Amino acid sequence: EMRLLESGGGLVQPGGSLRLSCVASGFTLSDYAMSWVRQAPGKGLEWVSAISHSGDDTFYADSVKGRFASSRDNAKQTLYLQLSSLRAEDTAMYYCATHFPHCSSGSCSYFDHWGQGTLVTVSS
Amino acid sequence: EIVLTQSPATLSLSLGERATLSCRASQDINNKLAWYQQKPGLTPSLLIYDASNRVTGIPVRFSGSGSGTDFTLTISSLEPEDFAVYYCQHRYNWPHTFGGGAKVEIK
Repeated sequence: EMRLLESGGGLVQPGGSLRLSCVASGFTLSDYAMSWVRQAPGKGLEWVSAISHSGDDTFYADSVKGRFASSRDNAKQTLYLQLSSLRAEDTAMYYCATHFPHCSSGSCSYFDHWGQGTLVTVSS
Repeated sequence: EIVLTQSPATLSLSLGERATLSCRASQDINNKLAWYQQKPGLTPSLLIYDASNRVTGIPVRFSGSGSGTDFTLTISSLEPEDFAVYYCQHRYNWPHTFGGGAKVEIK
């Protein structure tokens, strides 16, 4: 069974930093491009970042560009999201998710398997 | 950034009724659109990809249509487990974005 387990969330002051981790099990992480998606309490979904299979290519939402950084260690089956210069509006549950592998062209950036999330709260 | 606008925000319907949800893109996105269902306390589930393709295991009462800027998710006959929030999402270019969501509630 494919599983994703996020960790690293918590309470942080505005301007602070956190590193989120997402550990994959039940599949080979290097077979999948991955994304981070967040959801503020009681609000909708917001795509945050994507990273290619190898980690060579990364993409970001305008709202986090220059402040967040995605990386991965396929040997450790782990995905990372470094959050910096945090703001109150970054408060959300952060999910990692696999990209859907069955589009006509192969893998495509829809989100198939999701972790249970890790909560980031930015407050003084 | 492409903006996806979902309507209506809330749809109040009875069991067995047909639900029609709309997602409009601020520019042409070809067919690069997916639909998700999210129930309270759970993570989203991918229902439809590339506008009209049902994910394996999704019931046939769910169907997607559209191309360009206008897309529709139809639930042909609502079952109790279908009352949830539905989101559209595009993959046409970066950054990807989601619509604001549409809640299907029991009338």
